[in-house]
Amino acid sequence: LAKTTQPISMDSYEGQEVNITCSHNNIATNDYITWYQQFPSQGPRFIIQGYKTKVTNEVASLFIPADRKSSTLSLPRVSLSDTAVYYCLVGDGPGSGNTGKLIFGQGTTLQVKP
Amino acid sequence: GAGVSQSPSNKVTEKGKDVELRCDPISGHTALYWYRQSLGQGLEFLIYFQGNSAPDKSGLPSDRFSAERTGGSVSTLTIQRTQQEDSAVYLCASSPRPGQGNSEAFFGQGTRLTVV
Repeated sequence: LAKTTQPISMDSYEGQEVNITCSHNNIATNDYITWYQQFPSQGPRFIIQGYKTKVTNEVASLFIPADRKSSTLSLPRVSLSDTAVYYCLVGDGPGSGNTGKLIFGQGTTLQVKP
Repeated sequence: GAGVSQSPSNKVTEKGKDVELRCDPISGHTALYWYRQSLGQGLEFLIYFQGNSAPDKSGLPSDRFSAERTGGSVSTLTIQRTQQEDSAVYLCASSPRPGQGNSEAFFGQGTRLTVV
């Protein structure tokens, strides 16, 4: 499974756009990039997944450059309730040899301030 | 139920006792995962079940830890002779189509284990 590297922590203020970048230099051809969000005292929940270019849903956008060695999770206009830990995962792609095992790193702790 | 259910939500046990933690995955999900999360830390992978394949036990920290999944549904994580360092939140997740892209893992609320 490809190793991921992301900042340990980030601070932001309400209303700002937050971008969290994850490095995954050893990503395999068939690997997908997935982000999860975890609030205190809760299990993680899926935010967004992509393979290349840009994916957008009601929660966030995911930007993936052509070489796919990194990805950026973008949260528009954050609020206090977006304070959480954000995890970047790589793998789970069809035919990649990945059995579907999910390995979480340390994640990025985002603190949104008023 | 609609989501992944774990029980108990909290468990306090004495050092040296055995504990069993239960996970009811979402119906029809073929994959089931167990993780451990210590305070302020990330998720530590423990074990992964996928369909009828042999489970991936590579994350189990010692032979005091074991897990089984009966009938491809309910799973039980057993910790024998508990130690204080076993204190953590144990999270279970299930997924419908692991290894096929676009699959999402759904997590339970976890069991908070405290060994005193």
